[in-house]
Amino acid sequence: SQELEQSPQSLIVQEGKNLTINCTSSKTLYGLYWYKQKYGEGLIFLMMLQKGGEEKSHEKITAKLDEKKQQSSLHITASQPSHAGIYLCGAPHGDMRFGAGTRLTVKP
Amino acid sequence: GAVVSQHPSRVICKSGTSVKIECRSLDFQATTMFWYRQFPKKSLMLMATSNEGSKATYEQGVEKDKFLINHASLTLSTLTVTSAHPEDSSFYICSARDQGRANTEAFFGQGTRLTVV
Repeated sequence: SQELEQSPQSLIVQEGKNLTINCTSSKTLYGLYWYKQKYGEGLIFLMMLQKGGEEKSHEKITAKLDEKKQQSSLHITASQPSHAGIYLCGAPHGDMRFGAGTRLTVKP
Repeated sequence: GAVVSQHPSRVICKSGTSVKIECRSLDFQATTMFWYRQFPKKSLMLMATSNEGSKATYEQGVEKDKFLINHASLTLSTLTVTSAHPEDSSFYICSARDQGRANTEAFFGQGTRLTVV
């Protein structure tokens, strides 16, 4: 089955700092999704990447999928407290499985 | 956009009773829906895949008789936690994809926080 490893597990940054979250797959990805969640709430869809080398941006969040389609990174520029939450990468393959998540805390 | 509605959002029940959680796709059809469980500070764990008109596919380690799944229509899947115990307390969340649209994201319900006392 598809195994997704996320790093780091948790991250604490000062407001205004940039940060990167990584997601690595044990197999070639047919697609890669990034979601954000606050525990106890639903998931918010951020971005979907499908092609090797693809990069997408939304506001201050940029996600990339490498050429080999086995690794993705999520980069936040000039972080804000509103960015705090759990970031999950997911791989669709029939079902949708997730990495362990990265808990982001942004200190004001 | 596509919406998945999950109900109830919170439920408290006594040990030994059963609880039913509903997951509805509001404006699209979904032959397949997915049920996840989330422990505090942990990621989503896929429990089972709900298939309309057929038996659900359970992940290894998930008790079929404990977590009953019914997918009677193209817009509704239900998860029933039977004979609930305190260790079943958790956050349960469902998702579905719009089968009419290729390569779209999965849409998630808002989740159900189950507390068994």
